[in-house]
Amino acid sequence: DTAVSQTPKYLVTQMGNDKSIKCEQNLGHDTMYWYKQDSKKFLKIMFSYNNKELIINETVPNRFSPKSPDKAHLNLHINSLELGDSAVYFCASSQGRNGAPQHFGDGTRLSIL
Amino acid sequence: GESVGLHLPTLSVQEGDNSIINCAYSNSASDYFIWYKQESGKGPQFIIDIRSNMDKRQGQRVTVLLNKTVKHLSLQIAATQPGDSAVYFCAETYNFNKFYFGSGTKLNVKP
Repeated sequence: DTAVSQTPKYLVTQMGNDKSIKCEQNLGHDTMYWYKQDSKKFLKIMFSYNNKELIINETVPNRFSPKSPDKAHLNLHINSLELGDSAVYFCASSQGRNGAPQHFGDGTRLSIL
Repeated sequence: GESVGLHLPTLSVQEGDNSIINCAYSNSASDYFIWYKQESGKGPQFIIDIRSNMDKRQGQRVTVLLNKTVKHLSLQIAATQPGDSAVYFCAETYNFNKFYFGSGTKLNVKP
């Protein structure tokens, strides 16, 4: 069983569109994260939720909106996609707050045309 | 071989040699550190961690060294194998409140 699963794995879309990425974890963790990884492999934390409560909200355009319907799910909705949004987006989860060892999904590669 | 992991340098080592990957962390108050391994097309994977009250911790073929005086963390991989080829990240945490990932080092193992 996959511990942290993201869908879709690949997402190719046009500028201006709205898209969502879904994440689910079956580890029973209470904290989930979204990261953006650019072409130079730099990992940037975007959001973190602990028990459905937003605890990290880094400087991210408000076109990005996370939603956590329950502890096991953290989705990311992106409005009005821009070329600079092209990246790999990773979901992760951990037991305990920020900085505890995280389990990552395999990423969603977003390409904006 | 050794590298400093502040941008994305590549460390190339021969299979069977030992590898040393370095990381300079930013916050002198950081009290917990983790090394992650990211293989191509995959998400980062936890390798080993160390708390600030320790200088050294060993795992299977991996050792993490912490030098708080100079804010330096290193990951040593013994008898490097082709399966060790990946990008390695260090992460630091202060009081499980804030945490930061380093910018990664690519390890290339030559057969």
